[in-house]
Amino acid sequence: GENVEQHPSTLSVQEGDSAVIKCTYSDSASNYFPWYKQELGKRPQLIIDIRSNVGEKKDQRIAVTLNKTAKHFSLHITETQPEDSAVYFCAAIVDTGTASKLTFGTGTRLQVTL
Amino acid sequence: GAVVSQHPSWVICKSGTSVKIECRSLDFQATTMFWYRQFPKQSLMLMATSNEGSKATYEQGVEKDKFLINHASLTLSTLTVTSAHPEDSSFYICSARDYRKDGYTFGSGTRLTVV
Repeated sequence: GENVEQHPSTLSVQEGDSAVIKCTYSDSASNYFPWYKQELGKRPQLIIDIRSNVGEKKDQRIAVTLNKTAKHFSLHITETQPEDSAVYFCAAIVDTGTASKLTFGTGTRLQVTL
Repeated sequence: GAVVSQHPSWVICKSGTSVKIECRSLDFQATTMFWYRQFPKQSLMLMATSNEGSKATYEQGVEKDKFLINHASLTLSTLTVTSAHPEDSSFYICSARDYRKDGYTFGSGTRLTVV
């Protein structure tokens, strides 16, 4: 099955700096890569996603890059703000429909300090 | 759109009792729902895939007789933790996907504490 590794496990940045979280996946057939933000005690919220036919996607301060050859993808957050502090999870999936199962990375706890 | 409602948000039960958690898709039909368990400071671990009108598919290591899943309609899946023990205390989250969209929507989660 799919195996997703995520680094770093914790990340502390100063407000205004950029944060980068990296993930690798094992199944070359994976074709959909969402990123989730989870605040303490809350549900994971989708913040951005990318499909395997695209190398990069950006949404305001958030961007995701995908390298299919190397089987890794990264989340980039620019101009970080205190409200970006949360746990971020990457995920990968071989998307064949609504029954396809997500495999999550281990999570990165991001702390944005003032 | 693509809202998933989960109840209860938290529950405390005595050891040996059973607890039922409900997950509803409010504005779409979900033939498949997923149940996750999340321990503190850990990732979401898939427990089982709930299929409408058929048996759930359990991940390796998950006891199907302990975690009963019922998906009786296209909008409702339930997870029953039977004979709960303190080690079952965790955050349980359901998820479903609206076939019209990308992305998986999560319920708000249920924090189960077994005392």
